[in-house]
Amino acid sequence: SYELSQPPSVSVSPGQTASITCSGDELGDKYVSWYQHKPGQSPVVVIYQNTKRPSGIPERLSGSNSGNTATLTVSGTQALDEAEYYCQAWDSGSAFFGGGTKLTVL
Amino acid sequence: QAQLVQSGAEVKKPGDSVKVSCKASGYTFTSNGISWVRQAPGQGLEWMGWISAYNGNTIYAQRLQGRVTMTTDTSTSTAYMELRSLRSDDTAVYFCARGGSGSAAYMDVWGKGTTVTVSS
Repeated sequence: SYELSQPPSVSVSPGQTASITCSGDELGDKYVSWYQHKPGQSPVVVIYQNTKRPSGIPERLSGSNSGNTATLTVSGTQALDEAEYYCQAWDSGSAFFGGGTKLTVL
Repeated sequence: QAQLVQSGAEVKKPGDSVKVSCKASGYTFTSNGISWVRQAPGQGLEWMGWISAYNGNTIYAQRLQGRVTMTTDTSTSTAYMELRSLRSDDTAVYFCARGGSGSAAYMDVWGKGTTVTVSS
């Protein structure tokens, strides 16, 4: 089993920058995806292969991955960014999700 | 555009089995695989496994090995997930998601989810 650790919650003021971290053993050697999940909806991939954004995802969402930590950065945070965010990576042929981080826009 | 339509909610008793379907449209079904992911109430996302829609190869999460079976029917572009010997902690929303397997893979299209409730 491969463990991915995320902080349970992150708070940010509108217009400010929020950073959500995801830690795992030698995570920098793997590809990380990030999913945004709002209550009652399906998850949406917002970052894949560490830094790539699917079409329709705004540029203010960005990703990085180095060492043991991957980071999702939300710049110019808006109310619509409030959601649970999950990191995900593959290890030994299986997929693993982090525990999720609740992003609150105050 | 690509979409995945899942079957409706299920209520089961402990020890029962459940089979959830996921019908694909808007893309070539056999060009991708399908992952199954579940979310128990108040919990995070849990990956259950993956099936290749091309050749039926499967990968199951270790903790579900022996209780879960994933299949596809290419004639109807439908994927299925069967979970046996249900327990109360299998109560969850079950999602199917399009994607590959392996290090660079990600899940880019998701179904709306199927609620499975296990209760005596």
